[in-house]
Amino acid sequence: AQKVTQAQTEISVVEKEDVTLDCVYETRDTTYYLFWYKQPPSGELVFLIRRNSFDEQNEISGRYSWNFQKSTSSFNFTITASQVVDSAVYFCALYNTNAGKSTFGDGTTLTVKP
Amino acid sequence: GAGVSQSPSNKVTEKGKDVELRCDPISGHTALYWYRQSLGQGLEFLIYFQGNSAPDKSGLPSDRFSAERTGGSVSTLTIQRTQQEDSAVYLCASSKEWRETQYFGPGTRLLVL
Repeated sequence: AQKVTQAQTEISVVEKEDVTLDCVYETRDTTYYLFWYKQPPSGELVFLIRRNSFDEQNEISGRYSWNFQKSTSSFNFTITASQVVDSAVYFCALYNTNAGKSTFGDGTTLTVKP
Repeated sequence: GAGVSQSPSNKVTEKGKDVELRCDPISGHTALYWYRQSLGQGLEFLIYFQGNSAPDKSGLPSDRFSAERTGGSVSTLTIQRTQQEDSAVYLCASSKEWRETQYFGPGTRLLVL
């Protein structure tokens, strides 16, 4: 069985603040992928990042950064200098490579106020 | 088009009727995925296809749900004898290969009255 927990249901910040979205996962598999997706108010899911379970290097893409810690089964996502356009629901997901199944967290709704 | 397309964009049906949802993946993408997003269950994975075959159908919620993909391209998700709890947004995604980045369509919003 696998599980993804996004403990923060809603987060509200003021523009230019940094914000970290938490994601903790459970899996028995040694090989898996972790993802973050963004779902803006328009509803369409947008892929943000994929991370292989063997690659624990942190990644930075513009204002976005991801911290993968296998020891704590966490894959946290930080937005630096948040902007109003970052307001969305963010989903963390775990992909089981053997079964081809994805398990999603419940999502964190981020509201960035001007 | 360049992206994943789904039709219809909205569907309202009566309880007990069958519905068919269609997904057109990005050209050349061999893997295709179905998800649904509902208020009660959040985002759920349903099934994926590698080519025309679906290795694991256990994600389908019940035997009223079936999916097929022909010609390695278009896929249809069929829900028979719809129930109100089937109301959700059904999302389709495709990727070049089954482990690669998935690109999502806009979804089909299904409402069962």
